[in-house]
Amino acid sequence: DGGITQSPKYLFRKEGQNVTLSCEQNLNHDAMYWYRQDPGQGLRLIYYSQIVNDFQKGDIAEGYSVSREKKESFPLTVTSAQKNPTAFYLCASSIRLTATNEKLFFGSGTQLSVL
Amino acid sequence: KQEVTQIPAALSVPEGENLVLNCSFTDSAIYNLQWFRQDPGKGLTSLLLIQSSQREQTSGRLNASLDKSSGRSTLYIAASQPGDSATYLCAMYGSARQLTFGSGTQLTVLP
Repeated sequence: DGGITQSPKYLFRKEGQNVTLSCEQNLNHDAMYWYRQDPGQGLRLIYYSQIVNDFQKGDIAEGYSVSREKKESFPLTVTSAQKNPTAFYLCASSIRLTATNEKLFFGSGTQLSVL
Repeated sequence: KQEVTQIPAALSVPEGENLVLNCSFTDSAIYNLQWFRQDPGKGLTSLLLIQSSQREQTSGRLNASLDKSSGRSTLYIAASQPGDSATYLCAMYGSARQLTFGSGTQLTVLP
């Protein structure tokens, strides 16, 4: 099956701990994204990567870090500097339709909670 | 800064009713507008994408329209079913070259 796989589905973080969320895609998409969703709110962009070995900060990058060593993988690390990490995290990849249009495809998400 | 607003935040309708979900946006330089469906604890599923050169898109019982001049998009669901119950989010792709999401409308279709 082609798609985006996020793991784990549920993750618990102790205070002061760094945790890493996995995102893998086999759609051969160049661009990948990480979003955070809080209850009753829309998605906010954390980081995105348009190509391997390159990534850009989104609107709420503080307390997070990413890497893009392979086209298929875009892991997100939630560091201890992120003081309010409890949220639903969504990974996405996109296909470019035209020079000014792209369509996103989403994984099933990871719910991160603080112990 | 581009903003996307969805009103109402929640909506309940009886089965079989036709309904309209609303989305408004502030950036006139819109490239496309996308509607997504999200089931509880799940990721987003793309429903329809309207490019800026288009006025509407249809898929089955769903019809989405785009009016750039008024900064509005609507998602029309015909003959609603309990299986349509979910949160519907709209997102615009504009001059910032990234998607900006609304906070969603939580739809409940009562059997």
